[in-house]
Amino acid sequence: DTAVSQTPKYLVTQMGNDKSIKCEQNLGHDTMYWYKQDSKKFLKIMFSYNNKELIINETVPNRFSPKSPDKAHLNLHINSLELGDSAVYFCASSRVRTVANYGYTFGSGTRLTVV
Amino acid sequence: QRVTQPEKLLSVFKGAPVELKCNYSYSGSPELFWYVQYSRQRLQLLLRHISRESIKGFTADLNKGETSFHLKKPFAQEEDSAMYYCALSPLNNQGGKLIFGQGTELSVKP
Repeated sequence: DTAVSQTPKYLVTQMGNDKSIKCEQNLGHDTMYWYKQDSKKFLKIMFSYNNKELIINETVPNRFSPKSPDKAHLNLHINSLELGDSAVYFCASSRVRTVANYGYTFGSGTRLTVV
Repeated sequence: QRVTQPEKLLSVFKGAPVELKCNYSYSGSPELFWYVQYSRQRLQLLLRHISRESIKGFTADLNKGETSFHLKKPFAQEEDSAMYYCALSPLNNQGGKLIFGQGTELSVKP
């Protein structure tokens, strides 16, 4: 029943590793997003995809590569992980035309810790 | 385009009124939201400016003159303790982008 689901919930990994976070939504939304919540709880958009097309790419290092195989899925792959990548990553979805009316539905977040 | 929540932490006693401040800078009339994040949970939509609703006793009024959208509750409850984010949706949509403020942590003491 979960509307926006992310896996894994927790991820602990060493510097230099490559990891992926998966996100799926069953709401029929056409747009999906990745947000990063840093240690100060600040939320910043990273990417958005509309119907598998990249729409927003907010000055994120090239080590971060989103992939959207279909409009219900948006995965985030991170290469060569660094200590500064430690954060909570939230996936969200919406209908792009109704964001102003209804906002987003968020996933439960993935807490990434790089050691 | 910017959303500012000037208070990082707001601490009140149970039963006291609470006001979480949100100011925005945007040349136009944006749509505004309040999101709430309870401890280690997902962000949940609390209320939307467009619907003028009251959820869990919270209300927010858009003041275009002061470019503010403060969140208010007359009597705080302990279960209101959470992180609160104000967010703005630009009218030109910009691919569905929501711009969030820095968040205010509300702590309601017994």
